Amino acid sequence: AQKITQTQPGMFVQEKEAVTLDCTYDTSDPSYGLFWYKQPSSGEMIFLIYQGSYDQQNATEGRYSLNFQKARKSANLVISASQLGDSAMYFCAIPMDSNYQLIWGAGTKLIIKP
Amino acid sequence: DAGVTQSPTHLIKTRGQQVTLRCSPKSGHDTVSWYQQALGQGPQFIFQYYEEEERQRGNFPDRFSGHQFPNYSSELNVNALLLGDSALYLCASSIGGQGNQPQHFGDGTRLSIL
Repeated sequence: AQKITQTQPGMFVQEKEAVTLDCTYDTSDPSYGLFWYKQPSSGEMIFLIYQGSYDQQNATEGRYSLNFQKARKSANLVISASQLGDSAMYFCAIPMDSNYQLIWGAGTKLIIKP
Repeated sequence: DAGVTQSPTHLIKTRGQQVTLRCSPKSGHDTVSWYQQALGQGPQFIFQYYEEEERQRGNFPDRFSGHQFPNYSSELNVNALLLGDSALYLCASSIGGQGNQPQHFGDGTRLSIL
């Protein structure tokens, strides 16, 4: 069965610094993908970035990039030049065996300090 | 382009009552998934609807049921409410519901059981 681990319950980062949020996963699927979502205090879950296991290059979306290391089964999210508006919960998620449902980590609460 | 909309935003019920939550998917999306998110935790998959049928179900009792309409909108029904049902209920829509398609979420419905 799939499993997602986010080992950082909370992080404080100075504004404009880069941030790395950790995510490790365990899956027996030969082909899989990994998602990162942001959840502000308002509650909405916002899709940030996705990478499939067969993608050759690490995914990037604006200030977000994935540091995908398949051998270590880790897919860390890197946020460059952090902003106050980046303060939120961040979740990584992986599709379960059937590919229809997502399995989620416990999340990391990121607080950007001015 | 309207995103995923959920109603109501907040709801207060008492134990034993029944509740119906509603979701309209993002334009062009045909698949709706429902998640329960307890405070401080990641979302837990309840079920997914595709072509008006429940395609997959998570580890939730039969008190949780749903429906998808021909216009792809969906309802989540919970009967015999328990205190433990207090949570944020998130609806997510996607195209086809496959694992490599990002799910787009609404703002959620905060359900409180007294």
